Parts: sequence; C-alpha cells; structure tokens
Amino acid sequence: EAGVVQSPRYKIIEKKQPVAFWCNPISGHNTLYWYRQNLGQGPELLIRYENEEAVDDSQLPKDRFSAERLKGVDSTLKIQPAELGDSAVYLCASSKGGDGYTFGSGTRLTVV
Amino acid sequence: KQEVTQIPAALSVPEGENLVLNCSFTDSAIYNLQWFRQDPGKGLTSLLLIQSSQREQTSGRLNASLDKSSGRSTLYIAASQPGDSATYLCAVSQGSGYALNFGKGTSLLVTP
Repeated sequence: EAGVVQSPRYKIIEKKQPVAFWCNPISGHNTLYWYRQNLGQGPELLIRYENEEAVDDSQLPKDRFSAERLKGVDSTLKIQPAELGDSAVYLCASSKGGDGYTFGSGTRLTVV
Repeated sequence: KQEVTQIPAALSVPEGENLVLNCSFTDSAIYNLQWFRQDPGKGLTSLLLIQSSQREQTSGRLNASLDKSSGRSTLYIAASQPGDSATYLCAVSQGSGYALNFGKGTSLLVTP
C-alpha cells in the first residue's frame, strides 16, 4: 500500500512569489490534514478536511494561504505571496476513522 | 487549549541503555495518543498509538504507557541502539479524526 505522497520534496523561492504543494493521501482515508513544522518545533495544524469539506481552517492564514481538496482525494496547499517567515516543512497526513495518522515525507520550503 | 510538553528536550545515552521519554498534556479528555519518530529532514513515522481506554502498547523494544487521569505518557526504549537516534514526538487527539496537538519533541542521540 502506498503511503501519503507529497511533492515537491524541496522548494526554494524568492519572497513574494507563489508556491504550491501537492498531497495524495492513502486510498480510503477520508480525513486529510496539512501541518506546518518550524525548526525545533512540533507540527501545527493549518487545515483539516473531511472528504472535500474543510472542517477546521481556523489556523490557516487566509490572507495568503489557500487549500483545496477536489473530489475528496488529492489536495493542494498554496501560498501567495510567500514571506520569509513561511520557510518551514509542510506536512500532509491522512487518517480513517481515528485509526491513527499517516504522514507524508513533507515539503521543505525555503523563502529567500 | 491542549498543551503538550515533552521532557527532556534532548538526551544522549550510550548504546545498550534503557531509556524513558516523557510526555504530559493539560487536558485529560483525549481520544488517543500517538508517538512518532522523525529523522532529520524526513516526515513522521508512527511508532505506537494508544486509545484513551488503553493503558499501554508495545512494539518490539518500544513500550508506551498512558495515564489519562494524570495527563501523562511515557515511551520506554529498551536496549537502545545508534539507529534509534532521532527526534521523538508525542501527540494527542481530542476526538476521532481531530487534528493532533504535538509536543516539541525529544532529540535522542545513542552513541556507539
């Protein structure tokens, strides 16, 4: 069984540029999460989807961040425009019925 | 708001030692608790998942205990090996499918 797949693995962009991350969850997992992890910290939730509905986006900086989960499967997280403080690892995870969470390898974003 | 604390922040032990990592959380009304391992530059690998009704879970040399009423969990690693060197993260969920609240992690170094 394939795990949670994320791309790209690394991204370096200049500030004020847009960037997008992609996530393919485990087949059958209805819940999808985007987390952000700063250096030396634990991951923090950005947004949670139940199927195609965003049920918790209270921590998503909506002025510059957006996300979508088309057809309740793949998801895309976008930042526009990126700021220096957005440099972090962006992690996608999925779960099914609270049976535990599976994380992808993450995308390491560097904004210069 | 749920706060998760992990002690110690860093730990260095010689190979072969048994060790204990600690995790505490402020709100005892949790649904489950999960321990993860994170290698440098990598995503999170699930080690053990403990449901709120359970007291402990074991996998190989790892044993995790949960005392929900006191808001504590421990991860016991027996006969440590250099390959165990990584950051260990504790996370709790307040409900089925809810997002995880993470601690900052314990950075473990096992020296040969």
